Amino acid sequence: AQTVTQSQPEMSVQEAETVTLSCTYDTSESNYYLFWYKQPPSRQMILVIRQEAYKQQNATENRFSVNFQKAAKSFSLKISDSQLGDTAMYFCAFMKPNDYKLSFGAGTTVTVRA
Amino acid sequence: DAGVIQSPRHEVTEMGQEVTLRCKPISGHDYLFWYRQTMMRGLELLIYFNNNVPIDDSGMPEDRFSAKMPNASFSTLKIQPSEPRDSAVYFCASSFRGNEQFFGPGTRLTVL
Repeated sequence: AQTVTQSQPEMSVQEAETVTLSCTYDTSESNYYLFWYKQPPSRQMILVIRQEAYKQQNATENRFSVNFQKAAKSFSLKISDSQLGDTAMYFCAFMKPNDYKLSFGAGTTVTVRA
Repeated sequence: DAGVIQSPRHEVTEMGQEVTLRCKPISGHDYLFWYRQTMMRGLELLIYFNNNVPIDDSGMPEDRFSAKMPNASFSTLKIQPSEPRDSAVYFCASSFRGNEQFFGPGTRLTVL
């Protein structure tokens, strides 16, 4: 089984500031997929961003970007220009190709302060 | 397009009762997943289907849990008999060709 570690249980950020969430994972695979999911208080799981391990370029989706360091097995999420609606729990997840099973980290609760 | 639909949204039952959770995946998706979320164990995969066939049920906790997918647009997760430790949020998710998974709103189950 793959291990996904999110070492920050909680983070707080001022509106319009930037916050970075850390995620590390353990795998012997050379190709895989990494995801960040957002779970707001409504508890709906929403895909924020996806990264394929064979791609060198870091994925970006509007204010959300990742720093993917394959050798270090690190996959951090940066939220720029934080908005109140970003308040949620964020989960890092790992998936092997042709396996389709998501392994989730424990999550990081992000609170954006007005 | 409607997303993944789950029912009920909330279920409160007494220990020993049978519980059935329902899921309608996104039309055209060929993979369906059942997850459970608890404070202690986080998000864990219970079982997943491909083209209505169960592929991996290694996450199903015990024989009290069963899942079926009689057709491409419907799946059920049944717990019989239910126990207080089954209290959790149960998510259904679907995907096309195993790509990104889209989650339903979840069913919060409370077993008294």
